[in-house]
Amino acid sequence: SQKIEQNSEALNIQEGKTATLTCNYTNYSPAYLQWYRQDPGRGPVFLLLIRENEKEKRKERLKVTFDTTLKQSLFHITASQPADSATYLCALKGLGGGSNYKLTFGKGTLLTVNP
Amino acid sequence: DTEVTQTPKHLVMGMTNKKSLKCEQHMGHRAMYWYKQKAKKPPELMFVYSYEKLSINESVPSRFSPECPNSSLLNLHLHALQPEDSALYLCASQNTEAFFGQGTRLTVV
Repeated sequence: SQKIEQNSEALNIQEGKTATLTCNYTNYSPAYLQWYRQDPGRGPVFLLLIRENEKEKRKERLKVTFDTTLKQSLFHITASQPADSATYLCALKGLGGGSNYKLTFGKGTLLTVNP
Repeated sequence: DTEVTQTPKHLVMGMTNKKSLKCEQHMGHRAMYWYKQKAKKPPELMFVYSYEKLSINESVPSRFSPECPNSSLLNLHLHALQPEDSALYLCASQNTEAFFGQGTRLTVV
């Protein structure tokens, strides 16, 4: 069966350090992978998308890598700040057919950045 | 305008009530979604509308009835819900990435 796994339910780091979150998947051939941020009681907010033919994507302090051989994406936040504390979700959309419209989320990693 | 607007923000309803959740987007996206999210869980897909037609129903109980009156609007009609249906209901519209509304916090009493 298809699975999206985010290996840590929670991650605590010190302000200024780099946070690294992991997303692994099985039985998907994704056209692209996305990362979202969700604050408590609010809808997820899109952060970054990386396509299957891209190795790395950056946006300000965020960096995403995508290894389709390992079936893994890493999400990095450099120079982390307490305001980065939130739940981060990875999401996959399948290729073609009905699954083309189906965006499925991992369980998320709750990141806490301590001052 | 990259906003998806959901109303109401909060809703308390009894098990015999009928209510509706509303969602509006003006980004021209042709795919719109309803998700349900319980505490400490990821959003769980309920329905997908593509070009105003229902394309995916994830085996959702019939007490939830979606409707897409036009390309900008999406409704979710609720009837005879159970307390376990209490959750955050999220609407999203999508081109490549998904844009979510702020959600409706639903409590069934």
